[in-house]
Amino acid sequence: QQQVKQSPQSLIVQKGGISIINCAYENTAFDYFPWYQQFPGKGPALLIAIRPDVSEKKEGRFTISFNKSAKQFSLHIMDSQPGDSATYFCAASSKAAGNKLTFGGGTRVLVKP
Amino acid sequence: GAGVSQSPSNKVTEKGKDVELRCDPISGHTALYWYRQSLGQGLEFLIYFQGNSAPDKSGLPSDRFSAERTGGSVSTLTIQRTQQEDSAVYLCASSLSPGREQYFGPGTRLTVT
Repeated sequence: QQQVKQSPQSLIVQKGGISIINCAYENTAFDYFPWYQQFPGKGPALLIAIRPDVSEKKEGRFTISFNKSAKQFSLHIMDSQPGDSATYFCAASSKAAGNKLTFGGGTRVLVKP
Repeated sequence: GAGVSQSPSNKVTEKGKDVELRCDPISGHTALYWYRQSLGQGLEFLIYFQGNSAPDKSGLPSDRFSAERTGGSVSTLTIQRTQQEDSAVYLCASSLSPGREQYFGPGTRLTVT
C-alpha cells in the first residue's frame, strides 16, 4: 500500500520558472510533512517541513502548501535555478509511530538555463 | 558540527556473505533510523532506535536483517546471507528526538554479486 503518492515523476522547468510537486497521503494519523532534496550520490537533505496546524510555510524560494481536508500537500520552488536540479521527495510521519518517514516516489527536477 | 556519517561508502559482496554497515549519528541525537533506497522500492523505512527503548523493527524485510545500537550512539546494520535483491543504498538518519527533523547520512551503496 503506497501511503504517500507523489507526482509528477519528472519535471523540466526553465530557469526563473516555478516548479510544483504534489503529494497525497492516506493515513490521517500523519502529523509531520517534510520535503527532502537529493543530489546524485548524496543522502537526502531536509529542505522544508510543515505540520498540519498551518496551511502554508515559506522559506526563501521554497513554499509548502498544505490542504488537510484533501490530504494533499505540495512544494513550490520559485525562481528555479539550475542548482535546484535534483530529486525531491515528500514524506510523512506520525509522532505516535516514532516519526518513521513514509516517502513518496520522488520527482526528478531539471532546471534548464 | 559533524553530520551523520556512514561507513563504508561502498560495499561489494558475494551472494551468501554477511555484511555490516555502520552509522555514526549526530552527537546528542537520541533517535536513529535506517532506511533503504532502491530503484524498485524507493525509499523505505527499516528500523528505528530511540534511547534505551526496544527498537521498532517493523520495516525489516526478512530475518536476515538485524541492527543494534551500542551506548545510545553508533549503530550497525547486519545483513546475513546476502541476496541480489539486497543491493541498494542503505541510509541512516538521526534526530534530536522523535518528532524532530531527521538528518541523513551519505549512505552505503551495497552491491551483491
